[in-house]
Order: sequence, then C-alpha cells, then structure tokens
Amino acid sequence: SQKIEQNSEALNIQEGKTATLTCNYTNYSPAYLQWYRQDPGRGPVFLLLIRENEKEKRKERLKVTFDTTLKQSLFHITASQPADSATYLCALDMLNQGGKLIFGQGTELSVKP
Amino acid sequence: NAGVTQTPKFQVLKTGQSMTLQCAQDMNHNSMYWYRQDPGMGLRLIYYSASEGTTDKGEVPNGYNVSRLNKREFSLRLESAAPSQTSVYFCASISQDGVGTDTQYFGPGTRLTVL
Repeated sequence: SQKIEQNSEALNIQEGKTATLTCNYTNYSPAYLQWYRQDPGRGPVFLLLIRENEKEKRKERLKVTFDTTLKQSLFHITASQPADSATYLCALDMLNQGGKLIFGQGTELSVKP
Repeated sequence: NAGVTQTPKFQVLKTGQSMTLQCAQDMNHNSMYWYRQDPGMGLRLIYYSASEGTTDKGEVPNGYNVSRLNKREFSLRLESAAPSQTSVYFCASISQDGVGTDTQYFGPGTRLTVL
C-alpha cells in the first residue's frame, strides 16, 4: 500500500530563515502532491498543489518541488515569520481514486522571533 | 458561503453510547469525506462519498457508519462508542467535477472523547 512520511515531527527555526519540510512516499507514483497548513484547533487549509510533470511551483514566499525519481517533495517557506508557525501536511493524490488523499503525519513548524 | 460546517464542536461520551456527527457543505461539491486525526498518525480516512447516494470505506471504517443524506450533508455515526474512538474528526469536501484538480476543503473538526 502507499506510504507517505514527513521527515520531521517538529522543526524550529529563526525568523527570517528558510524553512524546508520534506515529504517522502513509496510505491505508486501520485498524480499530484498537495500541501496543507493546519493551525491548532482548526481544520487543514490548502496551500499548494504540484503535478507529477512539474518540477517546481511557487506562491508568494512558498515553494514546492516534486522529484518523482527520488519520490520526494520539498516545501520551502522563505523569509519565515512567527505567523508561519503551524503544522504542515503533505498529501498524495493518486488520481481516479474518488478524490481520496493519503496524508503524511505532519511537521510542526515553530518560527522564533 | 460558510464552506464546510460540523456539529458538534466538542462531545464527551461514555463507552457504549451512540452519537452522530453532522457535516454540511454549501459549495455544491460532489464528494465528501470523514477523517480522524490522532497525534502522530496524521489524517486517516474513515469513509467517503464520491457522489450523492454512494458511500465507500476508507482506511479505518470499523466501528463507524455513514449516511449521505443529500448532496449537502454527510453524517458519521458511532453506534457503540469505544475509548479507541477518542479523536478529532474532520469532514471535507471537493468538487470532483472532472474539470481540473480538486483540493479538499475541511470543516473545523469535532473533538470527541470517549470515557
């Protein structure tokens, strides 16, 4: 079965630095990979989606890469701010699976001023 | 638009009690999902409904039942609650209209404790 892992449960960085979160998957290649942000006590919120034929996707200070050879996605937040502190989830979208996503366990990012 | 709404926000049950978690979306989405989230486990799919009138099991369906009442509403029922069902439950929906990729919209969650 498909397995997805996010390398760190927690990541602490200093304000202004770049945060890099890692998502690794096994077995089948997903059609898309999605990243979500979750704040305490709230549901996840969609951030970015990258397709299997895309190497990189950007949105403001966010950047996602997708390496289907390594079966890995990297999620970067540049010029990080304390307001970026949250849990970030990656999710595999296998396509033609009724829209089902397979989620990683999340990485809790803490940005210190 | 309210998006995805869930009721109740919090619930405490005793072992063996039953309850229904309600979910509704006002985005005219076709597909709806129920997840549970436990520390260190991520989101795990319990049941989903690809369209009105259909439901399918996800990764962890045991102990749960669902009803897709209409296009807007998708409820999750615990017939005989167990302490192992203590968790945070999230409902989500997507369009699945085949036009493009769909991202999931999540509700605020229901925090359930089973004593």
